[in-house]
Amino acid sequence: QQQVKQSPQSLIVQKGGISIINCAYENTAFDYFPWYQQFPGKGPALLIAIRPDVSEKKEGRFTISFNKSAKQFSLHIMDSQPGDSATYFCAARSYSGAGSYQLTFGKGTKLSVIP
Amino acid sequence: KAGVTQTPRYLIKTRGQQVTLSCSPISGHRSVSWYQQTPGQGLQFLFEYFSETQRNKGNFPGRFSGRQFSNSRSEMNVSTLELGDSALYLCASSLGARLTGSTEAFFGQGTRLTVV
Repeated sequence: QQQVKQSPQSLIVQKGGISIINCAYENTAFDYFPWYQQFPGKGPALLIAIRPDVSEKKEGRFTISFNKSAKQFSLHIMDSQPGDSATYFCAARSYSGAGSYQLTFGKGTKLSVIP
Repeated sequence: KAGVTQTPRYLIKTRGQQVTLSCSPISGHRSVSWYQQTPGQGLQFLFEYFSETQRNKGNFPGRFSGRQFSNSRSEMNVSTLELGDSALYLCASSLGARLTGSTEAFFGQGTRLTVV
């Protein structure tokens, strides 16, 4: 119930291309869906996030598409650049009671953008 | 303002030993969460502390424990270390308030623990 399934595990994209990472979930109690970017040796950093009452959110070259009925959401990186090469994690937030929230993460996608 | 600081960055311990990891959250943040990151399991939630109280706990054995101090700094302890405890341990801080917007979590760089 708490799983978030992420695909693909790895992705190689040409510079200037579109990178697409997909996530699916089962738990309808999830209420917030962030994407994190992690570079080697660093902790994950919040990239962009969406709430389930919105179908799309765009920030610069990064767009989240959200399909509530299908319980799926995806990250699109337009005009991918070598500097975007990193591991991307989707996550879903659930309320655990007593004011506490918990993030459930996908397993991650290693993106390599080749020149 | 300063980010989340985790110390030490790297640690090598022997099976059976215990270890204590430290996390200093962003100033003003009262919630500290701990995550274990491994290549096989990804990021898994360990526990969350808010105002010195553990509010939430993930599915980890009792060998994993933590605490939070009055200045919101947190420590995580792992006793009787096993080889499988080798991982990157990440701490994340947030305001911890139930806001109508995001409860953005800011991660530290992590402590890389190797158990030999």
